[in-house]
Amino acid sequence: DGGITQSPKYLFRKEGQNVTLSCEQNLNHDAMYWYRQDPGQGLRLIYYSQIVNDFQKGDIAEGYSVSREKKESFPLTVTSAQKNPTAFYLCASSIDGGIFAGELFFGEGSRLTVL
Amino acid sequence: SQELEQSPQSLIVQEGKNLTINCTSSKTLYGLYWYKQKYGEGLIFLMMLQKGGEEKSHEKITAKLDEKKQQSSLHITASQPSHAGIYLCGADGGGATNKLIFGTGTLLAVQP
Repeated sequence: DGGITQSPKYLFRKEGQNVTLSCEQNLNHDAMYWYRQDPGQGLRLIYYSQIVNDFQKGDIAEGYSVSREKKESFPLTVTSAQKNPTAFYLCASSIDGGIFAGELFFGEGSRLTVL
Repeated sequence: SQELEQSPQSLIVQEGKNLTINCTSSKTLYGLYWYKQKYGEGLIFLMMLQKGGEEKSHEKITAKLDEKKQQSSLHITASQPSHAGIYLCGADGGGATNKLIFGTGTLLAVQP
């Protein structure tokens, strides 16, 4: 079955450590996205990629980094520079990155807790 | 920048009752999406609206986009416990990319 797989589902990290969240899709979608969800704040865009080897900052990119070396993979690294990393992270993809590209397909999310 | 405001923030209804969730934009909407999320899980696409006055239905859920394309409503008829979750509206954030922005969400609980 086609879909988006995020891992791990739960992750604990000590302050000062970097952590990488995995996102893999087998939908053959060109565009991929990372969102952060906090209670009462909806989803906020961290980074997005419209095509392999290219990505752009979203609204809250500080303290995060991404790569898009393969079409099916878009890992997100939460660095120690991110001041408040505890959150629920959602990865999504769409057929392409153009306007009205259709609905986004979401993974099940990764919950990161900094101890 | 465009902002989406949802109301109410949370809602508790008795099973079988109707309810409406609203999504209001600070700018004209050129594509409005409704998603549903169960707590701690990913979002599931419900519907997309593009044209002013457009209305779409799926099972007992109906979404409308007003003529001015600045407000959308999601109406659930005869609510069931399976309708419980968080409902989020999303809209095209503008520019040359499909950069979706989201409202803050409405938490719906349905009491049996």
